[in-house]
Amino acid sequence: GQQLNQSPQSMFIQEGEDVSMNCTSSSIFNTWLWYKQDPGEGPVLLIALYKAGELTSNGRLTAQFGITRKDSFLNISASIPSDVGIYFCAGRDMKTSYDKVIFGPGTSLSVIP
Amino acid sequence: GAVVSQHPSWVICKSGTSVKIECRSLDFQATTMFWYRQFPKQSLMLMATSNEGSKATYEQGVEKDKFLINHASLTLSTLTVTSAHPEDSSFYICSASGTKDYEQYFGPGTRLTVT
Repeated sequence: GQQLNQSPQSMFIQEGEDVSMNCTSSSIFNTWLWYKQDPGEGPVLLIALYKAGELTSNGRLTAQFGITRKDSFLNISASIPSDVGIYFCAGRDMKTSYDKVIFGPGTSLSVIP
Repeated sequence: GAVVSQHPSWVICKSGTSVKIECRSLDFQATTMFWYRQFPKQSLMLMATSNEGSKATYEQGVEKDKFLINHASLTLSTLTVTSAHPEDSSFYICSASGTKDYEQYFGPGTRLTVT
């Protein structure tokens, strides 16, 4: 079935550093979503992308929908301790139903104060 | 906006009993609700999709007689784990999509432990 790959799998950074993570797919997607999950909580939607090439910001977060429609990246600038968590990308491809999305395996982010 | 609640947040039950988990959209109408299961350090695994007033659509490998889903209104869906066994212990998360912007908004999850 459909699979998304996320890299890196985990990262440890110093507070204040910028972070970059990405998500790739073997097939074309028409929507890319980025979620953050804190331990013991449900995921929270950070950014939604709907058009190839689209670049969207949400505070210190910036995400882009890749031109090939097969990838997306998420950048976090000037990281702070509360950025710690698991970041999931999710996508909706052209063939699945409008509602369902596919989740990547996640990138675990640790921020060292 | 787009707040989804789950109840209970955690539950411990004995093997063989049934457990019901509620998922509510608090400030929007959820035309579709989803139920996921998540094991430690893993991604979310979709169990089923339900539309209000219709039968749920289960993903391959998910037993519909064991995981009963009801989506009786535009703000409430329930998941009942019947005859629970220790291997059913997991983190169950619901999400809802609907009149806000059709993206999925997640509840806080329910930690189920079956002893």
